[in-house]
Amino acid sequence: GESVGLHLPTLSVQEGDNSIINCAYSNSASDYFIWYKQESGKGPQFIIDIRSNMDKRQGQRVTVLLNKTVKHLSLQIAATQPGDSAVYFCAFSPAGGFKTIFGAGTRLFVKA
Amino acid sequence: DTAVSQTPKYLVTQMGNDKSIKCEQNLGHDTMYWYKQDSKKFLKIMFSYNNKELIINETVPNRFSPKSPDKAHLNLHINSLELGDSAVYFCASSPRDRGDIQYFGAGTRLSVL
Repeated sequence: GESVGLHLPTLSVQEGDNSIINCAYSNSASDYFIWYKQESGKGPQFIIDIRSNMDKRQGQRVTVLLNKTVKHLSLQIAATQPGDSAVYFCAFSPAGGFKTIFGAGTRLFVKA
Repeated sequence: DTAVSQTPKYLVTQMGNDKSIKCEQNLGHDTMYWYKQDSKKFLKIMFSYNNKELIINETVPNRFSPKSPDKAHLNLHINSLELGDSAVYFCASSPRDRGDIQYFGAGTRLSVL
């Protein structure tokens, strides 16, 4: 069946360090692999996504890596800041599709 | 201007009551969604509408009835509320053919007593 899961439910990092949030998935029939950030009291916010024909994509301070061989997705945040503290969700979506499946979420704590 | 707005932000009600949550987006998107987020932060899609037509109904009890009067609005009506309906409900929208990039509202925290 379809599922998206996370290796670590919580992650605590020192301000200025790099963060890596991991996600395992089981369904290969997806076109987009996505990361969302949810701050306390707010709705999820799109961060970055990657198409299934790519293995790496970079944004501003964030990098998403996709390893289809082992069905693993990761989000790297460079120079983590207090404002990065949030719950991060991996998700996947079929091309042009209307059904996005969200993983369970990882809570990131940034220590000052 | 808020892109996706939903009201109310908080809703406290008794079991058995009927309540509605409203959602509006001013992004010109064709597709809108309702999600339920439980106490463990698990986010599950309930419904998806594209151009006012229902395209996804994820085995949600028929006590939940979405209504889309136009493509900028997707409301959620819930009949005979149960304790297990307590959760945060999120509305979202996305551009046509880009369901991966969704814009979420701030959520409605529903507490059923």
